[in-house]
Amino acid sequence: AQSVAQPEDQVNVAEGNPLTVKCTYSVSGNPYLFWYVQYPNRGLQFLLKYITGDNLVKGSYGFEAEFNKSQTSFHLKKPSALVSDSALYFCAVRAYNNNDMRFGAGTRLTVKP
Amino acid sequence: DVKVTQSSRYLVKRTGEKVFLECVQDMDHENMFWYRQDPGLGLRLIYFSYDVKMKEKGDIPEGYSVSREKKERFSLILESASTNQTSMYLCASSWARGPNQPQHFGDGTRLSIL
Repeated sequence: AQSVAQPEDQVNVAEGNPLTVKCTYSVSGNPYLFWYVQYPNRGLQFLLKYITGDNLVKGSYGFEAEFNKSQTSFHLKKPSALVSDSALYFCAVRAYNNNDMRFGAGTRLTVKP
Repeated sequence: DVKVTQSSRYLVKRTGEKVFLECVQDMDHENMFWYRQDPGLGLRLIYFSYDVKMKEKGDIPEGYSVSREKKERFSLILESASTNQTSMYLCASSWARGPNQPQHFGDGTRLSIL
């Protein structure tokens, strides 16, 4: 069965600095990988996905993610963080042959002015 | 834009009550899901449905049931509410056209069982 690990519960960065939120995955076969963001008292919003092709995927709000097959990682990145990026971020994985999506425990990102 | 609407944002119920959480999506999605979200545990799948009148158990179905009488509506039922079911409940939907489709989420129902 597929699974996701987000090794950091909390990430703190200063506004304007680059940010990285880490995710590693385990799945049989080719993975389908997703990042979601959750703002307070809201549901999850889809940010970006990796299906196949280019290892660098661009998504909403200036976020991007880098797929690394050898390290089974899919880290979320942004070149310059904004205070408004402060939220809870979830990584998710799905195997190619089913609809069962597995979510990580989430990483809380705090961007300080 | 996809709209997934959960009928209540906040709900307070008593132990032993039968509780209904409603979810409606407006994009004709085949797949619908119910999760609960607890701090440090991420999202855990309770039930899902790939079609009308169809349902499948997720990872934590005990104490819950679901109903999907119409394609756009997926209801979660707590048969006899208990305090350990106090949680945030999230409904999601997606196209059935393969595993590359993202799920679209409602804003959640924060349920408290007293």
